Amino acid sequence: EVQLVESGGGLIQPGRSLRLSCAASGFTFDNYAMHWVRQAPGKGLEWVSSINWNGGTTGYADSVKGRFTISRDNAKNSLYLQMNSLRGEDTALYYCAKGRGFQTFDCWGQGTLVTVSS
Amino acid sequence: QSALTQPPSASGSPGQSVTISCTGTSSDVGSYNYVSWYQQHPGKAPKLMIYEVNKRPSGVPDRFSGSKSGNTASLTVSGLQAEDEADYYCSSYAGSNTVVFGGGTKLTVL
Repeated sequence: EVQLVESGGGLIQPGRSLRLSCAASGFTFDNYAMHWVRQAPGKGLEWVSSINWNGGTTGYADSVKGRFTISRDNAKNSLYLQMNSLRGEDTALYYCAKGRGFQTFDCWGQGTLVTVSS
Repeated sequence: QSALTQPPSASGSPGQSVTISCTGTSSDVGSYNYVSWYQQHPGKAPKLMIYEVNKRPSGVPDRFSGSKSGNTASLTVSGLQAEDEADYYCSSYAGSNTVVFGGGTKLTVL
């Protein structure tokens, strides 16, 4: 059974940094692209970032480009999202998702909540 | 990266069919057969229902179907059931390793 468990969220002041992690199990992690998708409270889904199987290809939403960095450690079956220069509008539940290709998210974690506020 | 356009709400009675539209541009929906649909119940993580326009993952009932014409994709739910009441989101590959979501549609089963 595929399991994705996000961690690292919390309350953080504007301008500070935070690193999210996603621990994956139940599938061959290094065979798949992985993604981060977020959902602000009461709002819709927003794609944040994607990374291919070996980390050689990444993509970012315009809203986070230059501030967020996606990475993965295939030896640890883990996905990461380094978030710098956080803003209030980054407040959201951040989901880790397994990719069906680079374009589809076929399994999702339960999310980790990031709240950016002073 | 502009969001895809979905109607805010849709509804139907049990047993009926309902179709939710998802309108993009020639840069996303119109250019790629990588449209997906996700179902999200309150307080739950999204679930993939349709991928690559009209393919169903294992375990998704065949009451759910997808299609695309030009820049608009559609999700049809046939034989509506109470458990289909949820939010539905479309997404599309938009080139250059980017993905865009729709704003979501709240489906109500009357």
